[in-house]
Amino acid sequence: IAGITQAPTSQILAAGRRMTLRCTQDMRHNAMYWYRQDLGLGLRLIHYSNTAGTTGKGEVPDGYSVSRANTDDFPLTLASAVPSQTSVYFCASSPGQGAYEQYFGPGTRLTVT
Amino acid sequence: GNSVTQMEGPVTLSEEAFLTINCTYTATGYPSLFWYVQYPGEGLQLLLKATKADDKGSNKGFEATYRKETTSFHLEKGSVQVSDSAVYFCALLDTGRRALTFGSGTRLQVQP
Repeated sequence: IAGITQAPTSQILAAGRRMTLRCTQDMRHNAMYWYRQDLGLGLRLIHYSNTAGTTGKGEVPDGYSVSRANTDDFPLTLASAVPSQTSVYFCASSPGQGAYEQYFGPGTRLTVT
Repeated sequence: GNSVTQMEGPVTLSEEAFLTINCTYTATGYPSLFWYVQYPGEGLQLLLKATKADDKGSNKGFEATYRKETTSFHLEKGSVQVSDSAVYFCALLDTGRRALTFGSGTRLQVQP
C-alpha cells in the first residue's frame, strides 16, 4: 500500500541520548516535512525538504537535524534529547510542482525522560 | 508572518446536528487553504482544500468556502455522525517554504 511509514511507533528516551526518527515514502513525492504536535499548539514545522539534496528550517528547528540523500527517505535526528522534545512527530510528503497538499505518516510518539 | 486561528473546542453535538468550525487566517497574498482531520491515534488526513478566493472545497459532506474579504475558511457539515468525532485542523500553505501553517485544532465530539 502506497504511503508514508515512520519508525519507531513510540520510544522512551533518556535525556542526552541521540535518536533518529525514520520516515520513508513510496509515492515519489518531491517534498517532505517533519512536524511536531503538542497539545493546544497544533502542528509546528521543524524542517522541510523541497527536493532530494536540499533541506530548510521550519518554525522550530533548534535541537533537530535532517538529511535528504534520496527521494524516499527523510530522517530526523535529535543530537542530544531534552525533555521539551517530548512530543508526537509526524512526517509528511507532497508531490510539489504545483500540487502541495500533504500526506501524513502515522506518527512517532517520543518521550524524553 | 502567517497564522491560522481556529475556534477552541471541544465542540459537542448530537448526531444529525449542524456543524460549523470557524477558521480565520493571516497571510500575505492568497494562500491555498486546507482542512485536515485526525482520528484518535492516527495521523492527519486531508479533508478538503481550496486554492483561490470563492472556491468551495467539499468532501464526505463537509464544505468550506474561501472568503478573502473576511480571510476565513469555515468548515461546515449539515448533519454530523458519531463517526465524525475527531480533531479538525485548518491550515494554509506557506508559499515560500511550501509547507503548512496549522491552527491549534478543534476537537469535535458527536454524541448518539
